Amino acid sequence: TQLLEQSPQFLSIQEGENLTVYCNSSSVFSSLQWYRQEPGEGPVLLVTVVTGGEVKKLKRLTFQFGDARKDSSLHITAAQPGDTGLYLCAGASNAGNMLTFGGGTRLMVKP
Amino acid sequence: ETGVTQTPRHLVMGMTNKKSLKCEQHLGHNAMYWYKQSAKKPLELMFVYSLEERVENNSVPSRFSPECPNSSHLFLHLHTLQPEDSALYLCASSQALGDRGFGNTIYFGEGSWLTVV
Repeated sequence: TQLLEQSPQFLSIQEGENLTVYCNSSSVFSSLQWYRQEPGEGPVLLVTVVTGGEVKKLKRLTFQFGDARKDSSLHITAAQPGDTGLYLCAGASNAGNMLTFGGGTRLMVKP
Repeated sequence: ETGVTQTPRHLVMGMTNKKSLKCEQHLGHNAMYWYKQSAKKPLELMFVYSLEERVENNSVPSRFSPECPNSSHLFLHLHTLQPEDSALYLCASSQALGDRGFGNTIYFGEGSWLTVV
């Protein structure tokens, strides 16, 4: 069974601060997705990374896939209260395999 | 229009009741999923249907019974539930590939909040 560990589990910061969320595994993934889930809603896909070392940017969010495709990070610059939510990473071991989800990082950004 | 629609959004039921959760996807996908999300656990995959056939059942208690009448609709029938079954139940869909493979991006509905009293 593949495991994806996310850290930290909880993060509470002030508006304007930067933060990084990590998603780690001992397994290699063919692709990795990041989702954000706001309170009372379902998870919404943010990005998919496929290539080792790949970096993708989505406004103030920067996603990186590790060179060995075992880990990923999400960096948020100048966090805003609207970034509050649960961030989930999910990986597929081979193209076409079902996703394995991490435990999530619950972020709160205070104004 | 939301790609994956779930009803009801909120449900309160007694332990002796029978109820159903409904999910409909408008994305042209042919794989559908039920996940359970509770406060203290990661997302738990309950059932997967690909091309209307069940391909995975992760040892879910028989008080949960899925039904997939076609590739756009998925139900979760509930009976004799326990208070610990209270959770957010998420439906999702994705592409189904050949040989029981799956497109690696899944799209979630907004969830059905279930409270068992």
